[in-house]
Amino acid sequence: DIVMTQSPDSLAVSLGERATINCKSSQSVLYNSDNMNYLAWYQQKPGQPPKLLIYWASTRESGVPDRFSGSGSGTDFTLTISSLQAEDVAVYYCQQYYSIPYTFGQGTKLEI
Amino acid sequence: QVQLVESGGGVVQPGRSLRLSCAASGFTFSSYGMHWVRQAPGKGLEWVAIISIDGTNKYYADSVRGRFTLSRDNSKSTLYLQMNSLRAEDTAMYYCAKAPHYGSYSDYWGQGTLVTVSS
Repeated sequence: DIVMTQSPDSLAVSLGERATINCKSSQSVLYNSDNMNYLAWYQQKPGQPPKLLIYWASTRESGVPDRFSGSGSGTDFTLTISSLQAEDVAVYYCQQYYSIPYTFGQGTKLEI
Repeated sequence: QVQLVESGGGVVQPGRSLRLSCAASGFTFSSYGMHWVRQAPGKGLEWVAIISIDGTNKYYADSVRGRFTLSRDNSKSTLYLQMNSLRAEDTAMYYCAKAPHYGSYSDYWGQGTLVTVSS
C-alpha cells in the first residue's frame, strides 16, 4: 500500500497570510504513460463531507477559489492557500488514486 | 445538480449485518464508478471500496475484504454496501462518492450515514 504522510498535523495561520500543507507518498504516484500525478486534495469542514479542491496534483476543481493551488510531482506535493480567509478553517487531506487501496493522508488541521 | 443520499446506518451489535444504500440523482449514474469512504469518529478518511460502472469490477480495502460487498442497481441509480460480521472498528460515518473516471478521485460526496457497532 502507498502510505501518504502529511505535514504538519496542524497549522495556525493569520488571516491574509499564506498557508502551506505538504503531502509525501511512500512511492511515486506519477504514471509514466500519461505523465500525470494521481494525487487529489480535499477540504473537510466540521460536520460536512469532504470537498474536492485539487486533482491531478495541480488542477483546481470548478468553483474552487484561485487562492488554492496544488504543486509537486512524484512523491512530494504541496497545497498552498495564498491568502487565508476565515472560511478556509478546515481539515485538509491528500489522497493518491494511483493504486488500490486509494489511501489518504492523516489530515492537516488548519486554524487561524 | 449532483445529489448522493446515503441511508441504512444505525446501531448494530458486533457480528451482525447492515446494508447501506446511496441514492444518486442529477447525473447519469450508470456512466460513473462509485466509491465508499468511511471516517471513524474524530479520525481521518479511509477508502473502503470502488465499483465500476457496470458492477463487474470491485475492489476493497484489506480491512473489509471478505466481509463487505459492494453492488449497484443502475436501473434505480442506487449503490449498496452490504456489511457482514461487523466489528467495533467498523464504527464510522460512511460516505458514498462519485468518481469522474473509474479508479480516480471523488468529485461529489454524500452527507454520509453513521454506523455504530456496539453491544
